[in-house]
Amino acid sequence: AQRVTQPEKLLSVFKGAPVELKCNYSYSGSPELFWYVQYSRQRLQLLLRHISRESIKGFTADLNKGETSFHLKKPFAQEEDSAMYYCALLNTGFQKLVFGTGTRLLVSP
Amino acid sequence: NAGVTQTPKFRVLKTGQSMTLLCAQDMNHEYMYWYRQDPGMGLRLIHYSVGEGTTAKGEVPDGYNVSRLKKQNFLLGLESAAPSQTSVYFCASSNPGLEAEAFFGQGTRLTVV
Repeated sequence: AQRVTQPEKLLSVFKGAPVELKCNYSYSGSPELFWYVQYSRQRLQLLLRHISRESIKGFTADLNKGETSFHLKKPFAQEEDSAMYYCALLNTGFQKLVFGTGTRLLVSP
Repeated sequence: NAGVTQTPKFRVLKTGQSMTLLCAQDMNHEYMYWYRQDPGMGLRLIHYSVGEGTTAKGEVPDGYNVSRLKKQNFLLGLESAAPSQTSVYFCASSNPGLEAEAFFGQGTRLTVV
């Protein structure tokens, strides 16, 4: 079975501080992992995907297969980063897209 | 440029009533998903479809049924609503491929009293 765990429900930081949102997964196959973000009053949208190895809005995430983790990081948080962040795993066999419980990031001035 | 549209946006039901939530996408996507979002529970997959005429159970399928008679539409039905089904429901669609992005609807807030 596939499972995505986000241990923190809320992460509160000050503007300019580093941010790390944790994501751990369990999956027997080769994982395809994503981070989605939901800003206030907006739709859930893709932030980044591990296969692209991209940096979006200053965020990066590295897949660590040994630790089964895909943590989201940003060196200097901005107030506009305040949002709900979801880690997601795609079961490529069944094409099931499964999400974690989400972490609310609050960046204070 | 509608993307994924959910109907209705809000609904209040009495226990035992039935209703259907409609999801429509205009991106010719193969895959469609229904999730429910609850505080502290994140997004949980109810049912999904990998193509027209096909459906499959997700993590929390009990109490829901779905149909995908047309590629662009994915219907979620509640035959006999219960207060435990009070939630925000999201529909999403995507295409096959490792880099495929899931596009989400704006959500439907359902309250069962």
